[in-house]
Formats: sequence, structure tokens, C-alpha cells
Amino acid sequence: EPEVTQTPSHQVTQMGQEVILRCVPISNHLYFYWYRQILGQKVEFLVSFYNNEISEKSEIFDDQFSVERPDGSNFTLKIRSTKLEDSAMYFCASSEFGRVDGQPQHFGDGTRLSIL
Amino acid sequence: AQSVTQLGSHVSVSEGALVLLRCNYSSSVPPYLFWYVQYPNQGLQLLLKYTTGATLVKGINGFEAEFKKSETSFHLTKPSAHMSDAAEYFCAVSAVNQGGKLIFGQGTELSVKP
Repeated sequence: EPEVTQTPSHQVTQMGQEVILRCVPISNHLYFYWYRQILGQKVEFLVSFYNNEISEKSEIFDDQFSVERPDGSNFTLKIRSTKLEDSAMYFCASSEFGRVDGQPQHFGDGTRLSIL
Repeated sequence: AQSVTQLGSHVSVSEGALVLLRCNYSSSVPPYLFWYVQYPNQGLQLLLKYTTGATLVKGINGFEAEFKKSETSFHLTKPSAHMSDAAEYFCAVSAVNQGGKLIFGQGTELSVKP
């Protein structure tokens, strides 16, 4: 069964450094998402992406965050200058049709980001 | 704004017993509802979803959930728990015309005792 893959599984970064989290969505999917889960808290929506632009973003997704689909397969989340509070598990997800609401999203195994 | 509340952060059942995980939502319009399961060190796996039609939906691994609009609930059940069901379970809502954004509950950790 096709799956969403995320790399790396664990990233350790010094505060203030830039970090890029990578995702390969399922190949025929058109809608891409990033979520994060701070330890002990809810899974929170960050951003959705379709047709090379952001569809929707949460208040968490400020100017320090950006997303990109640099080629036909990868989908990346960049944090420009990391803060301690960015430490979390980051999940990438994709769905075949996002605008047709109710489409299930398929999640990767996540990248655990630790900011020192 | 939509929100999801899962009653009970931890639920413990004996193997073979009924599993009941509670989820209530708030939404100004009929939502789409999902249950996801997360095993340790893994991502979120879709268990089942409700969009329209039959209010009792069946998912993988013997789980099912019933959408009750009058109670704004979408509780997850399984008649007989198995040790392999031990995991974290998340209820989520996707509101209409919000680009598929999922809003999650805080999760319920299910423990299964032998």
C-alpha cells in the first residue's frame, strides 16, 4: 500500500538554526498538509498546500515557517530560525482530493524535532 | 469554530471486553468525522470516517462508530478488545470548505489488560 514517507525520523538542531523537514506524499495525491504534536498535547494543523500554493494556514504558521514543493515528489517544511517551543513531532499528510471535503488524509510516521 | 472533545485521556479495558472511546464535536455545519489510531513511534492511521449516509460506519480492525447528530457525538466502539488494540486514538473533524483541515481531539490512550 502506498505511504507517506518523512525524513529524517529525528532531527536535533540548535536554537536559531534553520531546519528543513522533508516529506514524500503518495504519488497521485494532490493535497498536502503539515501538522505538529507537542509532547502531551493535541495534534495541531499547520498548513495545507495545493497547486503550488498555500490553501490554508493556522496562526501557528507564522513568518518563520514556509512550505515548498521543490520537485514532483517532495514536500518540505522549513523553519527559518528555530525556537525551543518548536520542539515537537511534525507530521506530513496527503490526500487525493482536498477540496472534496471528507477525503481521508494519509499520514507519515513523523519527524521528531528537538531544539537545544 | 469547530472543536473536538475526547472524554478520558486514558481508558483501560480487559482483553475481550467492550471498547468505548468517546468523542463529541462542535460545529455550526454538519462535519466530516474521523477516527485515527497511532501506534508507538508510528504515524496516524485512519480507522474509519463519516461523511454522509449511514450513521453507523465500520472501520478496520473491527472498530465502528456511530454519528449522532442530536448528541453531537461520534463514539468509537469495538465489541471485544485485543491486546494489539493498545494505542492512542484520535477523533478529528474536518469542516466543510476549509481545505480539508483536520481538527483533532486530545487523544485517548487505550490500554488492554490480559
